Order: sequence, then C-alpha cells, then structure tokens
Amino acid sequence: QLQLQESGPGLVKPSETLSLTCTVSGGSISSSSYYWGWIRQPPGKGLEWIGSIYYSGSTYYNPSLKSRVTISVDTSKNQFSLKLSSVTAADTAVYYCARLSELLSWFDPWGQGTLVTVSS
Amino acid sequence: AIRMTQSPSSFSASTGDRVTITCRASQGISSYLAWYQQKPGKAPKLLIYAASTLQSGVPSRFSGSGSGTDFTLTISCLQSEDFATYYCQQYYSYLITFGQGTRLEIK
Repeated sequence: QLQLQESGPGLVKPSETLSLTCTVSGGSISSSSYYWGWIRQPPGKGLEWIGSIYYSGSTYYNPSLKSRVTISVDTSKNQFSLKLSSVTAADTAVYYCARLSELLSWFDPWGQGTLVTVSS
Repeated sequence: AIRMTQSPSSFSASTGDRVTITCRASQGISSYLAWYQQKPGKAPKLLIYAASTLQSGVPSRFSGSGSGTDFTLTISCLQSEDFATYYCQQYYSYLITFGQGTRLEIK
C-alpha cells in the first residue's frame, strides 16, 4: 500500500525558505505515468495546489507561487521536496504531498500533512 | 484560472437524509472533476474522480454526476461518519483548482 509522509521544520521565520520532504513508501516514485504533488491548506481555509513533479524532474507550478517555489525529486531516496522562498505569515498552512495518476489528475493517496507556521 | 464554486458553503442534515452538494466551474471542464471528504485534522480522502467514478473502497451511498460546468455529489443515506467537509477539484486545466468546501454538520 502506497504511503506518503511529509517531514520538515514546523516553524520558519519570515523571509526565510520553507523546506519540506515527502517520502514515498510501498511503491517507486519512478513508476511511469505518476506525478507527485504538493498542496497546502491555511488554517480553517481551503486547498491550494502548489505544484507537481514527474520522476524525470519535469515540474509544473501554480503561477501564483511560481516565482518562489522549487519542487525537486530524488529517485534514489524515493523522495520529492518542496522549497518555498521569502515566506510570510500568509504561507502558514498544513502542507500535504500526494500522488497524481498523471499530470492532470486527482490526488490519491495523500500524506497526513504537516503544519508549517511562519513566525519570528 | 478556472474558479470552482460550491454550494452551499455549509448546511445541517440528519443521519438517514439524502444530501446533494453542487460544484460549478467557471468554464467547461468536461468530466475532469474529483470529490474529496476531509475530516478535522486529517488529509482529504478521494471519493470520486472523472465526475462519477467511485474510488475503490468508498461506500456506494456516495455518487457523483455532471459534466461541463455543473456537478453534484450525492450521499444517499447519511451516516454519522459522513459529517465532514467536502471539496471538489478540477483537473481540466494545468492550474489545478479546488472549490472552497462544503461543511456538512449534524442537525
């Protein structure tokens, strides 16, 4: 059974870079056709897609975040990562990683999510 | 960006009720729509994809319909575990977007 697990600091200072990793277990991140994505949810609010990546390294980002986002993949570790630079309080959210069956697709399964708070 | 608008934003119902949640896209998205259920403190759970295909393991009381711009999620007989927030998501566009959510509460 495929499982995803987010990890990283729960507290980031304003203007710094948020860094999270998603570890995939129970399957290979290099499986053909699957994409891997990041989604976030500010406390009490809705869901926002951040971006997606293929195991080859091809990336697709939400234009509203594109200037600050980098998503990368490490197939040797079966992980993909998110970096969000120049964070502000507005970036405080639960960050989820998830699998897509193809580039344009639904998300399933999801990681449990990790809360990242931006505060000095 | 394709805007997804859900209605209602919240409502109350009783166990055994039949409920319908609506999701409207700002432009046609064919059947490229998914529905999720989210409970407090948990990740969203996929219920339906391709507008009407039930994800494996999801109870058959959940059903989805629609195409183009108007979609519905129906729960035929509410159970206690169904009280949650529901989101729609379009994947027609490279900019994937979600609805704002519909909170279903116990009456």
